[in-house]
Amino acid sequence: AQTVTQSQPEMSVQEAETVTLSCTYDTSENNYYLFWYKQPPSRQMILVIRQEAYKQQNATENRFSVNFQKAAKSFSLKISDSQLGDTAMYFCAFIAPNTGKLIFGQGTTLQVKP
Amino acid sequence: GAGVSQSPRYKVAKRGQDVALRCDPISGHVSLFWYQQALGQGPEFLTYFQNEAQLDKSGLPSDRFFAERPEGSVSTLKIQRTQQEDSAVYLCASSFRYQETQYFGPGTRLLVL
Repeated sequence: AQTVTQSQPEMSVQEAETVTLSCTYDTSENNYYLFWYKQPPSRQMILVIRQEAYKQQNATENRFSVNFQKAAKSFSLKISDSQLGDTAMYFCAFIAPNTGKLIFGQGTTLQVKP
Repeated sequence: GAGVSQSPRYKVAKRGQDVALRCDPISGHVSLFWYQQALGQGPEFLTYFQNEAQLDKSGLPSDRFFAERPEGSVSTLKIQRTQQEDSAVYLCASSFRYQETQYFGPGTRLLVL
């Protein structure tokens, strides 16, 4: 079975500092896609970053970057220069090959403190 | 362009009542997904359409749940004889093609009393 695990239910960080959210996944597939989504309180899910498993280079989007370790099946998200607007629940997700459906982790609630 | 929209945003139903939840995907998006999100949890897959074809309905929790996308655009998720355990946020997502990035709507929060 394909699973995604986020072992940090809650995290906090001071504004302007850096924080890393962890994610591990389990699959026997070789080609797949990984995502981080952000869900602010009572607001809709938005894409933060996407990584293709066949790419060795880690994806980056402005202040957001990932550390993709394929052999270890690890996909962590680093947020640099944290801002108050980064406060949200963050979900790691995996697209199961040949189905297209997203499999989500349990989420990590991130609080950015002023 | 416009994003994914869902209606209603909130729905309160009495146990046993039928409900219908609507999703308008991004124009031109072929793939459409429904997910169920319990409070404080990650979304769980319900069903998937490619155009008007329902290719995967393995996540539908019971035969009370039914989804359709008759013209390959708007989709409706119907829940018959609602139960309290159906209370959740129902998320719709669409993508341009299969396995492309999915874009989510704001969700419909369903409360069954």
